[in-house]
Amino acid sequence: QKEVEQDPGPLSVPEGAIVSLNCTYSNSAFQYFMWYRQYSRKGPELLMYTYSSGNKEDGRFTAQVDKSSKYISLFIRDSQPSDSATYLCAMRKNQAGTALIFGKGTTLSVSS
Amino acid sequence: EAGVAQSPRYKIIEKRQSVAFWCNPISGHATLYWYQQILGQGPKLLIQFQNNGVVDDSQLPKDRFSAERLKGVDSTLKIQPAKLEDSAVYLCASSPHSEKLFFGSGTQLSVL
Repeated sequence: QKEVEQDPGPLSVPEGAIVSLNCTYSNSAFQYFMWYRQYSRKGPELLMYTYSSGNKEDGRFTAQVDKSSKYISLFIRDSQPSDSATYLCAMRKNQAGTALIFGKGTTLSVSS
Repeated sequence: EAGVAQSPRYKIIEKRQSVAFWCNPISGHATLYWYQQILGQGPKLLIQFQNNGVVDDSQLPKDRFSAERLKGVDSTLKIQPAKLEDSAVYLCASSPHSEKLFFGSGTQLSVL
């Protein structure tokens, strides 16, 4: 079993839809959880960052972490064509200097 | 603030040839990472530097890959000799601390 599992999609939605992206993980030592957005031919950029369990909201984006289920989610409200990208979940253990482990990424396409 | 700079953007070589990639991190960022991203996969850490010391190179194929960070600033990643399976995007990232990484646009390597 891989440490981080993410459905690669692709996921296609109409403009204005609510999008739900998810990752599961197997290592209970993960404490820091991130979502990165990657546009075609670009490097990933940090979108959301959370520590341990709970919710975090930033504009149209909400990140949720459920450590009991080893499940993290990213919700995008009122999706826009500019949200079309690959979304990568990433996580790491609570030790300084430990590496980020990335999921495969989910490709999202929002049509106008 | 200038981002992480990488060059070249694209490189095509034949197998068994050598290749080098260059990265200039964001000024003041002590930590520098090299990631390999194979098509359809999430980024995988190759090596992590803290200033000019190696923190983690456990997933670097040391028989063919080498990396150095000069004076704790710029870094080069070299592959010698290249194999077909090395075809990927090589991403450099830097961080002021280990939680939030800032990525460059990457070097896309094709090995024929």
